[in-house]
Order: sequence, then C-alpha cells, then structure tokens
Amino acid sequence: DQQVKQNSPSLSVQEGRISILNCDYTNSMFDYFLWYKKYPAEGPTFLISISSIKDKNEDGRFTVFLNKSAKHLSLHIVPSQPGDSAVYFCAALSGTYKYIFGTGTRLKVLA
Amino acid sequence: NAGVTQTPKFQVLKTGQSMTLQCAQDMNHNSMYWYRQDPGMGLRLIYYSASEGTTDKGEVPNGYNVSRLNKREFSLRLESAAPSQTSVYFCASRGEWVDGYTFGSGTRLTVV
Repeated sequence: DQQVKQNSPSLSVQEGRISILNCDYTNSMFDYFLWYKKYPAEGPTFLISISSIKDKNEDGRFTVFLNKSAKHLSLHIVPSQPGDSAVYFCAALSGTYKYIFGTGTRLKVLA
Repeated sequence: NAGVTQTPKFQVLKTGQSMTLQCAQDMNHNSMYWYRQDPGMGLRLIYYSASEGTTDKGEVPNGYNVSRLNKREFSLRLESAAPSQTSVYFCASRGEWVDGYTFGSGTRLTVV
C-alpha cells in the first residue's frame, strides 16, 4: 500500500518555464513533508520542506504548496534550469523518526 | 568532510553469500536509517535506529539485519543474499533539529 504517491514517473520542461511536480498522500496524520532531489550516482539531497500548519513555503526558485483537504502537495520550480534535471522525491514524516518516500519523478529540463 | 560515508560503493555477490554494508556519520546525529532504491519503487525503508542502542523494522526488513554499533555507525547485513536484493542501498542520518535526512552516496549491490 503506497502511502505517498508520485503518479508522474517523468516530466520534460523547456528551460525558463515552470516545472510542477505533484505528490499525493493517503494518511491524514502526516504533518510534515519534504522534497528531495537526486542526481545519478549520488545520494538524495534535501530541497525544501513544509509543515501542515502552512500551505506554502518558498526558497528561491522552489515553492512547495500543500493542500491538506486534497492530501496533495506540489513542487514548483521557476524558472527551470538544465541543472534542475534530476529525480525528485517527495516524503512524508510518519511518526517521529521516519520518512515515507514517493516513487520519484524524473525531471528533464530541455535547453 | 562532514556527512554520511558508505562502504563499499559497489559490490557483486553470488546467491547465498553474506556481506555487511557499512555506514558512518560524523554529524552527531541520533537517528540512522537504511533505505533501498529500486526502479519504480522509490526509496523504501529497511531498518532504522532512532537512537544508539535501538533498532526498528521499516517497510521491507526481510532478509536483512542491522547493528547500531555506536552513535556514529549503523551497519546492514545480508546473511544469505538473493537476486531480489539487487538494489542501490542508501544510509541516512537525521539530527534532532534538522530538516530531513542527510544521505550517503549509496552502495550499488548486484546479486547474481
């Protein structure tokens, strides 16, 4: 049973345009969410987080939106750059210690 | 360099062989984790250790054992490797007031 889902395995976007990556979750008890970015042959690196007390969090070109009623979060990258090409994972904090990850979306930004 | 160090980076095993994946962190983090990454499956938690002296099962613990040797080190052992354990393994750690995990660079394991 996949509690955190990323339904789009891949996404291609032109350089300079907006990239929107989506994530859905099933457990309404989840109250803290992260996005990670992963390049080939490297470990995932933390990108941005959001608490359930907020509906938006921004960090430079990256914004995460949370819709608790829909159990949906999205990551917006504006403007997209070729260096943003990577696999993006969303993750939800389950309990105190562990995160549950989605299956990932591979973003390709076309120059 | 500060961070999470995993060894080895690559390993090929024959079915039935055993091995231990090593992980060490130098950030004084309390919690440590082992995940595996498989195509289309994302990152799945194998085992974690919330603090020194404790370990708990994650989503996919079967076929694995772990040891939290001290605060810095958390090892993952495959007693009798199976082809289904072919994967990329990531170790991670988390500090009490830190967002999310710091991941190691991974161990790519192939079981033939």
